[in-house]
Amino acid sequence: AQSVTQLGSHVSVSEGALVLLRCNYSSSVPPYLFWYVQYPNQGLQLLLKYTSAATLVKGINGFEAEFKKSETSFHLTKPSAHMSDAAEYFCAVRLEETSGSRLTFGEGTQLTVNP
Amino acid sequence: SAVISQKPSRDICQRGTSLTIQCQVDSQVTMMFWYRQQPGQSLTLIATANQGSEATYESGFVIDKFPISRPNLTFSTLTVSNMSPEDSSIYLCSVARGVNTEAFFGQGTRLTVV
Repeated sequence: AQSVTQLGSHVSVSEGALVLLRCNYSSSVPPYLFWYVQYPNQGLQLLLKYTSAATLVKGINGFEAEFKKSETSFHLTKPSAHMSDAAEYFCAVRLEETSGSRLTFGEGTQLTVNP
Repeated sequence: SAVISQKPSRDICQRGTSLTIQCQVDSQVTMMFWYRQQPGQSLTLIATANQGSEATYESGFVIDKFPISRPNLTFSTLTVSNMSPEDSSIYLCSVARGVNTEAFFGQGTRLTVV
């Protein structure tokens, strides 16, 4: 079965500091991996995706993630945090090879950015 | 991307009643899904809405409790039946243009059952 584990339900950084949100996956099919962001009282917005092309994926708002098969990881990073990055972040993996859009989600990481 | 409109955006309902949530997309999409996000938790896939046929439900979800319709390629409804306080959640509609393309999400319906 496919699953994702997000290490750290809460991460707190200072404005301007590096953001690192961790995601490890388990998948019996070639993984498609995604990071979504959820701002308060809103739906989910796609940040970036990995679908077996380049292992370093660049997304919106300055975020990027690196797929590491040997470590079964897909950690999300941003060099310099901004106050507007405060939100909930979800890592997700596709449930099956025939539907990349059916997803299972991690538990989420709440990012706090301190001034 | 896709513009997804969900109605209602929020509701407070009495236990034992039912609520139907609508999901309208601005253009035709191949895939439509319904997710539940319980308070402070992650998202769980309820079902895949299939056009013109019965929805495909995930383990733990049944048609009697969550009947779903999808009459065409731009519209779907999810009904939460015979509600109890445990059904208080955010319900999100998700769509994808192809089988292996990224999924987009609506703003969600925040349901409180009292």
